[in-house]
Amino acid sequence: SAVISQKPSRDICQRGTSLTIQCQVDSQVTMMFWYRQQPGQSLTLIATANQGSEATYESGFVIDKFPISRPNLTFSTLTVSNMSPEDSSIYLCSVELAARRTGELFFGEGSRLTVL
Amino acid sequence: GENVEQHPSTLSVQEGDSAVIKCTYSDSASNYFPWYKQELGKRPQLIIDIRSNVGEKKDQRIAVTLNKTAKHFSLHITETQPEDSAVYFCAASNNNAGNMLTFGGGTRLMVKP
Repeated sequence: SAVISQKPSRDICQRGTSLTIQCQVDSQVTMMFWYRQQPGQSLTLIATANQGSEATYESGFVIDKFPISRPNLTFSTLTVSNMSPEDSSIYLCSVELAARRTGELFFGEGSRLTVL
Repeated sequence: GENVEQHPSTLSVQEGDSAVIKCTYSDSASNYFPWYKQELGKRPQLIIDIRSNVGEKKDQRIAVTLNKTAKHFSLHITETQPEDSAVYFCAASNNNAGNMLTFGGGTRLMVKP
C-alpha cells in the first residue's frame, strides 16, 4: 500500500473563511480524487485532481467553491471556500497507486472540518 | 452517471451468524465492484473486490457475488465476529473511464456477542 498524509486532520472554522487541505502520497500515483463524507453518510466524489491542469468536477460541485490543485503526481490540495455550516464534513483524499493500477482506491485518514 | 443503491442501511446479527449486504448499479459499463469497510473514525479500507469477468470471489469468511445481467452484487460475511461491526460500502466504477468510484449509501453492521 502507501502512506497518504492529509493535513489538517481536523479543524474548526468560522463561517465565511476558507481552508486548504493538503494530501501527500509517498508512492507514485495515477489517479487522485477528493471525496466528501457528511456525518453518518456515504462518500460523494467532489472531483478528480488532474496533474498540471484544472480538476474535473462532479455535478453539484464547482471550482469557485472547491478549488483543487495538483502540481505533481503525489501532491494535491483542496480548498473549501467561503465556508458555511453545511460544509461541515470529512474530506478524503483518495488515490490509485501506479504500482497496482487495479482500480483499487486507497484513502487518506480524512480531514474533519467543523464550520461554526 | 452511475447510481449505486445499497440495502439494508442497518443490519444487526448475532455473533456466528451470516450477514448479507446487497447493492444494485445502473451503468452497464461498470466493470469493477469493490467493498470497503469503515470503522468508526477511520478511513475506508478495501476488504474484497470483484471484476465483471468473474461471478464470485471468496476470501476466508467474506465472499462477493456479481450478477451482471441483473446489475447487482452482494457481500456475504460468514461466522460473524464482533470485530466485523463497522459500516460497509459497496462501490462501482468503469476502469476504462477514469476509475472514480461511485459508492452506495452504506450498511451499518452490528454483531452482537
